[in-house]
Amino acid sequence: EIVMTQSPATLSVSPGERATLSCRASQSVSSNLAWYQQKPGQAPRLLIYGASTRATGIPARFSGSGSGTEFTLTISSLQSEDFAVYYCQQYNNWPRSTFGQGTRLEIK
Amino acid sequence: QVQLVQSGAEVKKPGASVKVSCKASGYTFTSYGISWVRQAPGQGLEWMGWISAYNGNTNYAQKLQGRVTMTTDTSTSTAYMELRSLRSDDTAVYYCARALGVRGSSSSLGGYWGQGTLVTVSS
Repeated sequence: EIVMTQSPATLSVSPGERATLSCRASQSVSSNLAWYQQKPGQAPRLLIYGASTRATGIPARFSGSGSGTEFTLTISSLQSEDFAVYYCQQYNNWPRSTFGQGTRLEIK
Repeated sequence: QVQLVQSGAEVKKPGASVKVSCKASGYTFTSYGISWVRQAPGQGLEWMGWISAYNGNTNYAQKLQGRVTMTTDTSTSTAYMELRSLRSDDTAVYYCARALGVRGSSSSLGGYWGQGTLVTVSS
């Protein structure tokens, strides 16, 4: 099973600043990597797939990069609604997939 | 618009079974796969498995093999997830998610999600 490791566990950033979240795979997943946002009491929302393609309706301040084993989600200028938990998901052996343990993005 | 509506919260005793439903609307049910994902209280997301609504093919997480069964009823556009021999660590919110795309790797992506069903396992 491919293990996904996210870092840091918690990230404190001020509104308007840039946030950079990392996700590492235990083996190459090519570009089969997605990012989700989850707010308390809500279902996850797909942000990025194919490592760098924004899902429909996702603002341009969200961007994804990376391939192989190292991936990054960048939020260029944090808005109040962006403070949430973010998960990466690999789907290299689709339909099987695994999630990272999550990064909590909190207001500094 | 695409909607996935899940069944209500359940309380079960250890050793029992639970069956969660996920009724889909707003799209052609048989064109997209359905994934099931669970989330224990205060914890992260865990992929449980996937079912093709087209032909019923399934793929389950190894740790749940033998305890989980995913099915669909195309006549009612409903997907089901049954989990047997429940333990306390099965207490979680269970989500169904429709695939983003109709084929290929996009089958694994949760493009649309149900509201979640809380299953509590307690004696």
